[in-house]
Amino acid sequence: QSVLTQPPSASGTPGQRVTISCSGSSSNIGSNTVNWYQQLPGTAPKLLIYTNNQRPSGVPDRFSGSKSGTSASLAISGLQSEDEADYYCAAWDVSLNGWVFGGGTKLTVL
Amino acid sequence: QVQLVESGGGVVQPGGSLRLSCAASGFTFSSYAMHWVRQAPGKGLEWVAFIRYDGNNKYYADSVKGRFTISRDNSKNTLYLQMNSLRAEDTALYYCAKDLYSSSCHGVDYWGQGTLVTVSS
Repeated sequence: QSVLTQPPSASGTPGQRVTISCSGSSSNIGSNTVNWYQQLPGTAPKLLIYTNNQRPSGVPDRFSGSKSGTSASLAISGLQSEDEADYYCAAWDVSLNGWVFGGGTKLTVL
Repeated sequence: QVQLVESGGGVVQPGGSLRLSCAASGFTFSSYAMHWVRQAPGKGLEWVAFIRYDGNNKYYADSVKGRFTISRDNSKNTLYLQMNSLRAEDTALYYCAKDLYSSSCHGVDYWGQGTLVTVSS
C-alpha cells in the first residue's frame, strides 16, 4: 500500500491528452513539492517534472505538472507511442521523515 | 554528464550482509545529497535511504531502519549502502540516485542503472 495513491493504469490514443492523478495528504503533497518520473520498460526512471510543475531541460513541453492542496496531476498532451511507460509521483513526507512514491501508473498508448 | 555506477549486488542468504557502492562522476559529488531507491521484480519504486551532502543527516525507510546504513566518502566520490540481516523481501534492483539539492530532500534528478540484490537460500 503506497502512501501516495495513483491509478494503476491509464490509456489514450495517439494525439490525445491524458492525465494521471496522485493523491496524498497534508504531511506529503500538502506540505512539499511533487516530482514525476517516467520509467520505460527495462530502464531506470527518468525525472519528468520537479517542484510540482518544472520541466528539466530535454523534457518536451507536452508534459506538464500541477498541484492543488493534497493532490497533484501529470498531463501528457499530443500522446505518442513512445510515451508508453510507467509513471510515478513522489514527495517528501514530514510525518514519516522519508520520501514516498505513488504505486505507479502504467500508461498504454492504444 | 552525470554518471552513477552501482556495484556490489549479488545473491545472499537470508540473514546475510552485502555492501553496495555507487561511483559518481560528472558533477560535484560533495555538494549534493544522495539516495538509494529499490524496485522489487515487477513492482514499483521504494525509497530506501537519504544522506545529506556532508553525511551529517541520514533518513531511512521504516522497512530497512536498523538493518541498513547509508554512508558516503566525498574524497572518493562514492556512496555506500551497508545491508545487514537481509530478508527475502529485500530482493530488488537497487538504484543509486542524486538529489536535486544539497541538504534537504527535493527528489532525485539522476539515477544509476541499478545493481540486483537477491536474497535466497
